[in-house]
Order: sequence, then C-alpha cells, then structure tokens
Amino acid sequence: EADIYQTPRYLVIGTGKKITLECSQTMGHDKMYWYQQDPGMELHLIHYSYGVNSTEKGDLSSESTVSRIRTEHFPLTLESARPSHTSQYLCASSGLQVNTEAFFGQGTRLTVV
Amino acid sequence: AQKITQTQPGMFVQEKEAVTLDCTYDTSDPSYGLFWYKQPSSGEMIFLIYQGSYDQQNATEGRYSLNFQKARKSANLVISASQLGDSAMYFCAMRDYDQTGANNLFFGTGTRLTVIP
Repeated sequence: EADIYQTPRYLVIGTGKKITLECSQTMGHDKMYWYQQDPGMELHLIHYSYGVNSTEKGDLSSESTVSRIRTEHFPLTLESARPSHTSQYLCASSGLQVNTEAFFGQGTRLTVV
Repeated sequence: AQKITQTQPGMFVQEKEAVTLDCTYDTSDPSYGLFWYKQPSSGEMIFLIYQGSYDQQNATEGRYSLNFQKARKSANLVISASQLGDSAMYFCAMRDYDQTGANNLFFGTGTRLTVIP
C-alpha cells in the first residue's frame, strides 16, 4: 500500500482565494510530481521535483507554484483561484530511475466557484 | 509528438472473459519503463504492472499480463477472467529520458473498460 497522502480530498472555494493543496509521502522518494486531470481525461504533468529545493515546470503550463523544503512534502499553491482551475490534482512520488513506478495520492478535487 | 497512444476510448467485455487494452509508445531512448494504471470512479491511480525495456519476458501480475512487442513499440495490457470490479479507466504510461535528462512519467489518454455481467 502506497504511503502518499493528499489533503483535502475535496475543496470548493471562491474565485480569488489563495489555496494550498498538501501532499506528503513517507517512502523517502526523491522524485515527486503534480498532475492535473479533468474528469475522464488524461493526466497532464504540471510540476515535478528531484528532491529538496528542486522544482521544475511540467509540460502543461500552470499558474500554480510548488515548493520542496522537505523530502516528504510537496505542496501546490494557487495564489488566486479561478473557475478555470477547477480540476482534479494528483500528487505522486517515485524513485529516480525509469524502472520505478510512481505511487499516487488519492487526489484533490478542486472546484472554484 | 505524443509519447503514449491509446486508441480505444472505450471497451466492453463480458464478465469472466479476457480483454486486451492497446498501447503504443514512441521513444528513441533504449532505456525506458512502461506502466499500466487503473483509475476507478473514485479517482485514485492504482499501479498494476511494469515492463522494462530490457526485460526479455512479458510481465505478469495475477490476472494482469503485459504483451510487450518491442519492435512494434507496443505494450498491451491483457486482463484475464474479467470481474465487475475491473470496470474503470486504464492508463498506459512511460518513463524515458528526455533531452534535459528528466525521466518523468507520461500518460496516454486512457481506455474506459466496462465489464458486463
């Protein structure tokens, strides 16, 4: 069973609010990811990190930002939420090598009204 | 260019029958990993099976097997003896090294499998 946790599971928030989606893993993985997924659609990589103090943008442009101050923690922040940010956000972690699978959190379903 | 292609948006299978979900990939890197994930309606991503580019044999995990044809760049998932609980979205994914040296996990568009009683 994967030890990666996301909070909250569901969030409904008003336009213009600042939000932080939390993601923590206890597997000691160096690599962490954030994906954005609309219902029934593919996953798009928006951020990733190789380890502490490392953050990189993914293939899909996102107005969100991330930080990696501790190995186990990889929060995602939206400074000013908009309805276009409504989506599911999935956090994952893995080893650094291509032959290691990624473990996913349960996801955060964000609705901006 | 799309790295992972899943050409079946939806598939139906009778309970207890086998089903094959197609996946083709594109990479010039000799070292890569191929993965299949299941996503039930609850939204979490569940890892099913892994195949490495250097693996000589097809991967198997219980009722799941991966039909790996390296020359054709295909990595089809075979589910045997389908169960109602297999109804879900299935995503094929790949990790390889890009030009920057990153080896992120990229996903296909998914196949929605429905198991019919």
